[in-house]
Amino acid sequence: GAVVSQHPSWVICKSGTSVKIECRSLDFQATTMFWYRQFPKQSLMLMATSNEGSKATYEQGVEKDKFLINHASLTLSTLTVTSAHPEDSSFYICSASMNQGSTTDTQYFGPGTRLTVL
Amino acid sequence: AQSVTQLGSHVSVSEGALVLLRCNYSSSVPPYLFWYVQYPNQGLQLLLKYTSAATLVKGINGFEAEFKKSETSFHLTKPSAHMSDAAEYFCAVSGGSNYKLTFGKGTLLTVNP
Repeated sequence: GAVVSQHPSWVICKSGTSVKIECRSLDFQATTMFWYRQFPKQSLMLMATSNEGSKATYEQGVEKDKFLINHASLTLSTLTVTSAHPEDSSFYICSASMNQGSTTDTQYFGPGTRLTVL
Repeated sequence: AQSVTQLGSHVSVSEGALVLLRCNYSSSVPPYLFWYVQYPNQGLQLLLKYTSAATLVKGINGFEAEFKKSETSFHLTKPSAHMSDAAEYFCAVSGGSNYKLTFGKGTLLTVNP
């Protein structure tokens, strides 16, 4: 149980194009979803938190106009990297929580999406 | 503010040997602590979590961790390493009104035959 999927698992795009990454909770309803970015051999950095039906909350330093997050249903959140540039190349990981962001909630992580911008 | 320090970015053990991965935390509120494992090119899988119940927490795959408030530590151990344990391990903390996870930098565990 508590499976989270991401699609695509990897994507290569040209500089200036936009890329959409999907995060789905397959067997539970995800009230809260999180988007992380992970650079090679480094830890995960939280980018934003989204609750179903409301606007995402972005961490300091994350450009909300560049990283568009939509959490339209209890099982789907999307991250769109707009006008991608090579410095946006990274491993993007989503996670999902069943509850409204309680401190004891377990976050269930997706397998990640490797984005390479040429 | 919360933070996590994982001592040792790389730990190497022999198969069958004890695994000890160190994690120290800093938190101004009672912490909740987590250990996650990441295999290459995959997301994170929860190994175990401490949420203010028993201080010795048992997780999956034979791992356990002990919360020591006096030492602000939450070290991960396994009595006997398997080759399949080779992966990156992350310690994370949350707490108070902040449900967000703050991760350590990770420890790469290699297991030698």
